[in-house]
Formats: sequence, C-alpha cells, structure tokens
Amino acid sequence: AQSVTQLGSHVSVSEGALVLLRCNYSSSVPPYLFWYVQYPNQGLQLLLKYTSAATLVKGINGFEAEFKKSETSFHLTKPSAHMSDAAEYFCAVSGPGSARQLTFGSGTQLTVLP
Amino acid sequence: SAVISQKPSRDICQRGTSLTIQCQVDSQVTMMFWYRQQPGQSLTLIATANQGSEATYESGFVIDKFPISRPNLTFSTLTVSNMSPEDSSIYLCSVIPRRGQGYTFGSGTRLTVV
Repeated sequence: AQSVTQLGSHVSVSEGALVLLRCNYSSSVPPYLFWYVQYPNQGLQLLLKYTSAATLVKGINGFEAEFKKSETSFHLTKPSAHMSDAAEYFCAVSGPGSARQLTFGSGTQLTVLP
Repeated sequence: SAVISQKPSRDICQRGTSLTIQCQVDSQVTMMFWYRQQPGQSLTLIATANQGSEATYESGFVIDKFPISRPNLTFSTLTVSNMSPEDSSIYLCSVIPRRGQGYTFGSGTRLTVV
C-alpha cells in the first residue's frame, strides 16, 4: 500500500521568503512522486514529478523538490515566494503496474503575506 | 500531455436524482481514474476504469452508487446515483498519457445536492 503524509495543513510565508512544504511517503515499491497545485475554484495542475531519474526535480513556477530515499521524503521548495503562489498544494504517490493510481496527501494551504 | 474535456463543470441537483459526468480525452489512454474531492478535503480515488472491462472500485465506493462506463479509449462517464447532500463534492477524472508522465486531470465537476 502507498500513502503520503503532508506535515502542516496551513503554511504562511512572507513574500520573498523561502517556501518549504513537507511530504513524506510510504511505499512498498519504488514510488513515483508528484506535487500538484490547486488554485481556488480550479482543477489540479502538475508542478513536478519524480520518476526514478534525477533526485532533484525542477518544476514550473520556480518550484523544485528533492527525493530523499533515506528519509522517505519529497519536500517542495521555492527560494522566494510570490503572492501568486497562494494556493492548495498536494503531494501524491503512485507505483508501477497495478499500483498506478495516485494516492494524495491531505494538502497544504499556502498563504503568502505581503 | 493529454487534454481532458470534462462536463458539466458544475450542477445543482435535487436529492434522489442522478447526474452523469463525462470525460473526453484528446488521445487514447488505457487507464482512466475518477476522484472525489469533498469540501475542504483532499482527493479520494473512486474507481479505475479500463476499456473493455468492469471498473475497479476502491473501498467505500460501490457500482450501484457510482456506475462507470468506458466504451472506448478516449471516453468515460461517471454517474452519481440517488444523490444526497453528502454527495456534494468536486468530481474529477484523470489519465496517464504515457508511462512516467504526470497524471492529467479534467477541470472537475462541482456538484451541489439540495
């Protein structure tokens, strides 16, 4: 079985500050890991994905995440927050073969303060 | 990546009625997934739909309540039957365009049951 845990349902940062959203996973097979963003009243947009290539993954809008097997983590970071980054962020995990459905974390609401 | 057209985008329905949600993909895909996002919650997988076979439902979801059709490799429907206010949610379909690519999501159907 696969699962993800997102630490912190709400995170607030000041504009220009570092963004760090935490995600830890549990998987019995080598995982594929994803971060999605959901803006208010909109669908899900893929930020980035890890599929067993480079452990440091760069995504859209200046976000990146590092896969750390020893820590079973896939934290999302951005060096400098922008007001437009305010949204709900979801970490998700899938596996190969029959385990290919996505399992989502509970989400983290990011607020960016002026 | 694949483009998914999902409709309706929103609906307000009476208790006891049924609503059918459609997802059309612009390319052939083997697996389609249906998710539910209850208000303020994360996404939960309802079922996986493969063309030519019965959908596979997750724990807590049954075919009588959420019948799914998958007539070809580009189209699927989800019906929410005998609705109650507890069914008020966003329903999303998702596909994997190619192995290793990020999952693509439809824009969602925002359902309110009154």
